[in-house]
Amino acid sequence: DTGVSQDPRHKITKRGQNVTFRCDPISEHNRLYWYRQTLGQGPEFLTYFQNEAQLEKSRLLSDRFSAERPKGSFSTLEIQRTEQGDSAMYLCASSLAGYDSPLHFGNGTRLTVT
Amino acid sequence: ELKVEQNPLFLSMQEGKNYTIYCNYSTTSDRLYWYRQDPGKSLESLFVLLSNGAVKQEGRLMASLDTKARLSTLHITAAVHDLSATYFCAVDVDSWGKLQFGAGTQVVVTP
Repeated sequence: DTGVSQDPRHKITKRGQNVTFRCDPISEHNRLYWYRQTLGQGPEFLTYFQNEAQLEKSRLLSDRFSAERPKGSFSTLEIQRTEQGDSAMYLCASSLAGYDSPLHFGNGTRLTVT
Repeated sequence: ELKVEQNPLFLSMQEGKNYTIYCNYSTTSDRLYWYRQDPGKSLESLFVLLSNGAVKQEGRLMASLDTKARLSTLHITAAVHDLSATYFCAVDVDSWGKLQFGAGTQVVVTP
């Protein structure tokens, strides 16, 4: 169990640029989640997958955000035409489909939009 | 919309004393989580509470759940410096892991 891995750890981009983040979940976990956390706040739900199917997207996610999980393994989160308000920590988590299974979070990707 | 409120938001603890963090939520849910976050780090799972009256303990931390009162507590016994961190409760909105987090309680333990 190597944990949830996220890449990159930090990303600085200029407003208007596109960025893509990657998440590799714990290998046997079939559920994958994306959350966003801003300074001093709890994480906010963005979207989640059961295997390769995207089950729900939060209303927080504008059309500039898209997430994929091809083949039910790793996932990518893309933000197009970044805005300064997108600056945050983007957290990926995975879990087993089970009633008492906690979400295991990665170390996150910190995005700064200048 | 489900609301999750933690209090206090900041807790200064003296080593050796006992303290409680409260987590209230606004609608019914069958799963509640407690997480710990150290500065600049990710979230570490502490407890998953599944049913009314559930109590779980790990070291100096004990968590309980009262689903009728929509209240969970995290009790810290004989605080030590290593427990300094931010503690979040989170309620499972749909039983699929879509979590609504509280704002967090920043804990600082001093000698």
